[in-house]
Amino acid sequence: GEDVEQSLFLSVREGDSSVINCTYTDSSSTYLYWYKQEPGAGLQLLTYIFSNMDMKQDQRLTVLLNKKDKHLSLRIADTQTGDSAIYFCAGNFTGGGNKLTFGTGTQLKVEL
Amino acid sequence: DTAVSQTPKYLVTQMGNDKSIKCEQNLGHDTMYWYKQDSKKFLKIMFSYNNKELIINETVPNRFSPKSPDKAHLNLHINSLELGDSAVYFCASTQGERQAFFGQGTRLTVV
Repeated sequence: GEDVEQSLFLSVREGDSSVINCTYTDSSSTYLYWYKQEPGAGLQLLTYIFSNMDMKQDQRLTVLLNKKDKHLSLRIADTQTGDSAIYFCAGNFTGGGNKLTFGTGTQLKVEL
Repeated sequence: DTAVSQTPKYLVTQMGNDKSIKCEQNLGHDTMYWYKQDSKKFLKIMFSYNNKELIINETVPNRFSPKSPDKAHLNLHINSLELGDSAVYFCASTQGERQAFFGQGTRLTVV
């Protein structure tokens, strides 16, 4: 199956930028997504990128996609304490059927 | 209006019991899913239904039986609950390859 890897933890200071990385193996996906999960809550779609794009910007969020290296990143500018959460990348990878395969999740902690 | 709603939100039960979790979506989507999130926060798909038909079953024990009475509902019934079934179960729905909408999750605790 598809392996989608993320670093488990990231700690940043309030006001700094956060970069959360995601790598995947073997397959491609038409869309790649970033989801946010706050403690005790469900998954909230933050943003997504179409596979023929390299970059997408949405207010404080910037998504970069390097298809050659199978690498996706999410940059959060001016990180706030409210951004503290777990962030998951996900994709509908070829051969995976009509399902989302999720990354391992990155716990972002924003410190004052 | 909640797009994908699950009930109950919390479920505490004893080993060996049988329990059900319900899910409803009002988005008109064709495809619904059940995902399991374990204690390490890993999310794994369990089942996928498209227009009431099972299309994905990811090596889930037979004790788990999904049922889709119509395309807006996907329920999950679990027989003979075990301690290892304790997790958060998420329902989701999509239309084609578009974004998935998730329910708020059901935290199942087996004691």
